[in-house]
Amino acid sequence: QLQLQESGPGLVKPSETLSLTCIVSGGSISRNNYYWGWIRQPPGKGLEWIGSIYYSGSTYYNPSLKSRVTISVDTSKNQFSLKLSSVTAADTAVYYCARQISSGWTNFDYWGQGTLVTVSS
Amino acid sequence: QSVLTQPPSVSGAPGQRVTISCTGSSSNIGAGYDVHWYQQLPGIAPKLLIYGNNNRPSGVPDRFSGSKSGTSASLAITGLQAEDEADYYCQSYDNLSGRFYVFGTGTKVTVL
Repeated sequence: QLQLQESGPGLVKPSETLSLTCIVSGGSISRNNYYWGWIRQPPGKGLEWIGSIYYSGSTYYNPSLKSRVTISVDTSKNQFSLKLSSVTAADTAVYYCARQISSGWTNFDYWGQGTLVTVSS
Repeated sequence: QSVLTQPPSVSGAPGQRVTISCTGSSSNIGAGYDVHWYQQLPGIAPKLLIYGNNNRPSGVPDRFSGSKSGTSASLAITGLQAEDEADYYCQSYDNLSGRFYVFGTGTKVTVL
């Protein structure tokens, strides 16, 4: 059974960089036909797609966040990572990593449990 | 601001049928892109409920069904149960200016 687990600091200061890692177990991140994505959810609000990466390193970012986002993949460790720079209180959210179908349907079929990141001094 | 609009809330008594709409535009649902639905129980990560407009993953009860027409899609829950009380989100692809993957605004289903 595929499992995804987010890890990283739960508190980040304003103007600093948020860094999270998603460790994938129970399956290879290098499989064809899957992207690996990040989605966030501010407290009490809806879901927002941040970006996705293919195991080859190809990336797709939400244009509203593109200037501040970097997603990378480490196939040797079966994990992928998110960096969001110049954070503000508006970036406070639960951050989820998820597997995404890359061909045909584009849904997210496996999700991590999510990790709350608070931006505060 | 999401490009997919859902009603903030719907409610129904146990056993009833409720539907949730997801209204898009010509750059997403109307362009023929598939719609997927997720269920999010309180404090839990979203779970895939319907994919490809009307397909259920293994383990999802057949009380849940999806449909799509024109620039909109719908999720129907028949035989509403207390455990269905959750937030529901639609998701699709948008080809306008690199938006890519977009979620709906979300709908809270309350079982009366």
